Amino acid sequence: DQQVKQNSPSLSVQEGRISILNCDYTNSMFDYFLWYKKYPAEGPTFLISISSIKDKNEDGRFTVFLNKSAKHLSLHIVPSQPGDSAVYFCAMPQGGSEKLVFGKGTKLTVNP
Amino acid sequence: DADVTQTPRNRITKTGKRIMLECSQTKGHDRMYWYRQDPGLGLRLIYYSFDVKDINKGEISDGYSVSRQAQAKFSLSLESAIPNQTALYFCATSDPKPGQKNIQYFGAGTRLSVL
Repeated sequence: DQQVKQNSPSLSVQEGRISILNCDYTNSMFDYFLWYKKYPAEGPTFLISISSIKDKNEDGRFTVFLNKSAKHLSLHIVPSQPGDSAVYFCAMPQGGSEKLVFGKGTKLTVNP
Repeated sequence: DADVTQTPRNRITKTGKRIMLECSQTKGHDRMYWYRQDPGLGLRLIYYSFDVKDINKGEISDGYSVSRQAQAKFSLSLESAIPNQTALYFCATSDPKPGQKNIQYFGAGTRLSVL
């Protein structure tokens, strides 16, 4: 059973607008959440994270929101830029360890 | 991340062949991981190692083996490659220090095709 779900395989937005990427999880024991970005022919790179004691973490144009009761997190990118076009994965450490469980990813395309 | 180097970057092999994918890192991290990515399936953990003497199976270890030759080197072997092992393989490292322990740093990947 999939513990981490990214239900939108792709998302297309216009440059300058907001991009919202969503992630749902089933295990209420998850207490730390990460977003990774992946460009073609490169490995994933860490983007932003949030602890379960917070509901929001912001880093420049990137903000992650956590709704623990709904077991939902989202990544907001404002304003979106063409260079943000990539695949975005949400990930969570499993069982208090450092083993990450990844969602399937959402491919974001930002159109000029 | 240039600090995590995977070789080869691309490999084509035949069914039944033994193949080794190599990973080396200059980050000084104790913890290393091997993942595979299949289209539409995200990344799945194959094996991980928290130090030189520690090897652990991940979610999908069948058909694979690993060797941690040194702190900086972690190799993945396919003993007898089969077509459904065609995938993109990633090595990653992490540092258990507070505030860092959940962040993994990935190599650029190895694209493996098994014919």
